[in-house]
Amino acid sequence: NAGVTQTPKFQVLKTGQSMTLQCAQDMNHEYMSWYRQDPGMGLRLIHYSVGAGITDQGEVPNGYNVSRSTTEDFPLRLLSAAPSQTSVYFCASSYVGPGNEQFFGPGTRLTVL
Amino acid sequence: ELKVEQNPLFLSMQEGKNYTIYCNYSTTSDRLYWYRQDPGKSLESLFVLLSNGAVKQEGRLMASLDTKARLSTLHITAAVHDLSATYFCAVDVGNTPLVFGKGTRLSVIA
Repeated sequence: NAGVTQTPKFQVLKTGQSMTLQCAQDMNHEYMSWYRQDPGMGLRLIHYSVGAGITDQGEVPNGYNVSRSTTEDFPLRLLSAAPSQTSVYFCASSYVGPGNEQFFGPGTRLTVL
Repeated sequence: ELKVEQNPLFLSMQEGKNYTIYCNYSTTSDRLYWYRQDPGKSLESLFVLLSNGAVKQEGRLMASLDTKARLSTLHITAAVHDLSATYFCAVDVGNTPLVFGKGTRLSVIA
């Protein structure tokens, strides 16, 4: 199993550009989520999904969109990038339900100029 | 709203010493997780604590859970440099996403 994979590993955007961060898992996990990590802020939940076709907002959803058309994939879209979205983004998944042990992807380091 | 507080947030300790990291949470829960994050890396699961009184040990790390006190501890025994990392606790309150503490950055120095 590859586990949770994320692409790209690094990305530099200009303000106003849009892009999609990819996340995939091959463990047949129902629950997937996106976090951002900033210095001194810990992990903050952006969006999550309890299964295909179902998504919900986390703590900091503004400026981000998600969709879950398959069990395996959970892309995160930045609609119009802003410098405040400079961060490290982690995707995570768990077998069933949001309260279970999360398995994290390697992360995407995003810089918005 | 569940609050999860870790302390200390920063810890510098000498090799060979013992220390404890604390994770307090504000509402009833009987499931708690500890994760480790090395600099520039992702989070790796360390311990899964699923009931009151649960104790797990791996190497120089031991985690415990007291659900009545709403407290988990991560005890470090005879610290070595390889344990330098950031440690997060995360609490489950049912059918909602885990709530993470802000993390404890541990630095073990010679």
